[in-house]
Parts: sequence; C-alpha cells; structure tokens
Amino acid sequence: EVQLVESGGGLVKPGGSLRLSCAASGFIFSSYYMYWVRQAPGKGLEWVSCISTSSSYTYYADSVKGRFTIFRDNAKNSLYLQMNSLRAEDTGVYYCARDRRQYQPENWFDPWGQGTLVTV
Amino acid sequence: DIQMTQSPSSLSASVGDRVTITCRATQDISSWLAWYQQKPGKAPKSLIYAASSLQSGVPSRFSGSVSETGFTLTISSLQPEDFATYYCQQYHSYPLTFGGGTKVELK
Repeated sequence: EVQLVESGGGLVKPGGSLRLSCAASGFIFSSYYMYWVRQAPGKGLEWVSCISTSSSYTYYADSVKGRFTIFRDNAKNSLYLQMNSLRAEDTGVYYCARDRRQYQPENWFDPWGQGTLVTV
Repeated sequence: DIQMTQSPSSLSASVGDRVTITCRATQDISSWLAWYQQKPGKAPKSLIYAASSLQSGVPSRFSGSVSETGFTLTISSLQPEDFATYYCQQYHSYPLTFGGGTKVELK
C-alpha cells in the first residue's frame, strides 16, 4: 500500500524555523516527483514546492521562495521541507504528495499524506 | 500565473441530485486539469485528471468535461458520502494552482 506520513509540524514563533519530513512507503520513491501543498485554516489548497526524482530540479511558489527549501533522501525514502523565516501566513496544514506518474511527471497529486499542522 | 476560478463557492443539494461544478482558467491550459475531493479533517483525494479521465477506484457517478465555458465536474446522483469540498487544479505550468473550492452541503 502506498503511504505518505508527514511529521515535524508544531508551534513556532515568527521568524523561526521548522523542518517537515515525509516518510514514503509502498512504492519506488526515487522514481517520482514529490510535492508539498499547504492549506491555511478554513482556506483552500496552495501548492508550495516540487522536487524532481534526482533533486536536479526544484520549484517554489513565490510566497515561499528564498525561505523554504525542498529536498529529498532517496536512500531513506524521505521528503523534507526546510522552512525558515516563518510568518503568520505560513500557518496551516502541510501535505506531502506524490506525482501520479513514475519518471515523467504529470504535475498532479496522488496520493496525499494526512498532513502536519504548522502554527506560526 | 494561471488563476483558477471555481463556481459556485458553495451549493446545497439533496441525495440523488445531479450536481455540476465549474472551473475556469485565465489562460489556455488545454486539458491539463485535475479535480479533487476533500472531506473535513482529511487529505484531498484525486477524482479526475486530464479534465475527463476518471482516477482508478473513483465511482462512475463522477465525470469531468471541457467546453467553451470551461471545465466541469459532474456528480450524476449525489450520494451521502459525496458531501465535501471539491477543488480543481491546473497542471499546465508552474506555479501549479488550485481553484478556490466548492463546498457541497446537504439541503
């Protein structure tokens, strides 16, 4: 069974840092683009970042560019999001998600993890 | 950036009703559109990709289409488990963007 399990969320003060983790299982992690998507309380979904299979390519939403860093460890089947200079508007649930297709990304998300709450 | 506009933002319907949700993009995205369902406190779940392809395991009462007026998600006969919020997402280009969501509530 494909599983994505996020961790690392919590309460942090403005200007602080936090690192989110996403543990993947049930599929060949190194073959898929991976994503972070967030959702502010009571609001809609916002794509945050994307990383290619070998970490050669990374993409960020303008709202987090220069503050957040996405990276992965294929040997550990893990995805990460390093969040620095956190702001109140970064508060929300952060979801880890996988691309639907192996190797050549389609840039839509399936499946999703259960999410981890970040409160700034 | 491509903006996605969903309508309505909410609707009330009864079990058995036909429900239609619309999504429009500010520029041509061809058929690079996905639909998701999200229930309270849960992660989103994919329903439709490539505008009209049903994701594996999704009931056939869900369908997607494209027209001159935009993209449409249709639930042919609303079931109790379908009360949720629905989002569209374009994957034509970065930044990937979502519509604002449509909450489907019980009338």
